Amino acid sequence: AQSVTQPDIHITVSEGASLELRCNYSYGATPYLFWYVQSPGQGLQLLLKYFSGDTLVQGIKGFEAEFKRSQSSFNLRKPSVHWSDAAEYFCAVVLLGSGNTGKLIFGQGTTLQVKP
Amino acid sequence: DTGVSQNPRHKITKRGQNVTFRCDPISEHNRLYWYRQTLGQGPEFLTYFQNEAQLEKSRLLSDRFSAERPKGSFSTLEIQRTEQGDSAMYLCASSSAGSSSNPQHFGDGTRLSIL
Repeated sequence: AQSVTQPDIHITVSEGASLELRCNYSYGATPYLFWYVQSPGQGLQLLLKYFSGDTLVQGIKGFEAEFKRSQSSFNLRKPSVHWSDAAEYFCAVVLLGSGNTGKLIFGQGTTLQVKP
Repeated sequence: DTGVSQNPRHKITKRGQNVTFRCDPISEHNRLYWYRQTLGQGPEFLTYFQNEAQLEKSRLLSDRFSAERPKGSFSTLEIQRTEQGDSAMYLCASSSAGSSSNPQHFGDGTRLSIL
């Protein structure tokens, strides 16, 4: 079935440690790829996006993501996590093709907890 | 850019009542989306407007749900005869015209609780 999968529901890292959040998609053609972050009780903020070109994309707040076509993955990384990064992270796709309205299809999210 | 605004932020109502939510998108954005997010899940698409035209509706949008965007600016989402299962966060997002890759900007959502 077509889907966006975030295998890790919950991740805990120590402040200053590196972070990688996984995202896999299963669609016939490579969709547009996004990562969003959501703080409690808030809407979603775009961290970064990938459409084409360089497979390593830089985003806001020191985040980056790497697109790997062979693995159908778009993993989010940060070299050194700050306590303020604690939030819920969503991977999302927009399918390509005529008639597509640009609606986002989300994974179920990964909750990041940061230990002092 | 004042961002996407949603009202109210919270709504508590009894089962069977009707509720209406409002979304004011970023002023120059002609694309508007509604999503629903339940606890522990990612948002799910409900419906899409391009200007005043409602161009796509999810199967999640039962007959009790209706959305409008009468002048291509703000939008409303109404739920009639609310049920327990309607309890969720309702998110609105907008994006500019052109490519479907244009990023969506989200409001802070309306949290609906059904007693």
